[in-house]
Amino acid sequence: SQTIHQWPATLVQPVGSPLSLECTVEGTSNPNLYWYRQAAGRGLQLLFYSVGIGQISSEVPQNLSASRPQDRQFILSSKKLLLSDSGFYLCAWKKGTLLSGNTIYFGEGSWLTVV
Amino acid sequence: GENVGLHLPTLSVQEGDNSIINCAYSNSASDYFIWYKQESGKGPQFIIDIRSNMDKRQGQRVTVLLNKTVKHLSLQIAATQPGDSAVYFCAEAPGFQKLVFGTGTRLLVSP
Repeated sequence: SQTIHQWPATLVQPVGSPLSLECTVEGTSNPNLYWYRQAAGRGLQLLFYSVGIGQISSEVPQNLSASRPQDRQFILSSKKLLLSDSGFYLCAWKKGTLLSGNTIYFGEGSWLTVV
Repeated sequence: GENVGLHLPTLSVQEGDNSIINCAYSNSASDYFIWYKQESGKGPQFIIDIRSNMDKRQGQRVTVLLNKTVKHLSLQIAATQPGDSAVYFCAEAPGFQKLVFGTGTRLLVSP
């Protein structure tokens, strides 16, 4: 079966420090990968998605970047964090197109607090 | 732009009641919709999905209804249980790669 892991689960970072969140998927190949952000008490905002190695689509202009160095690895980064980057970051994956049975599955999330 | 929103931010029900959570979407091109359940501090979990060529789909204790005429989606939970307490999100797929989420409805189930 497929599983998704992301880490770290929680982190507290000072303003201006760098960020690296990692996500890996097991049990599948060539998945589509996603990074979402959720502000406290709010919905999910799509940040980046990737359909293959080295292919990144950015959905909103921001202080973050994403990379996909390997087929099942997706990394979210920042060179200098802002207070507004605080939130709950969720990695997700799917196989194939969005049809019944090919939905998007989420990891457990990473809580980021920028202080 | 794309917008998926919910009518009620919080829904409180008694255990055993049926719950109905509503969602409006704005992109008439969307042809795939999903409901997710998110418990506190966890990632969203898939509940049920529906394609635009259907108007109803049933799962275990859950039913999703789709009204394309008014661009409305609902999730019905039968015999609601305390374990159903969570935030529920609807999401639409305007294409085959991305999901756009609404802001969510919190369901509170009292024993």
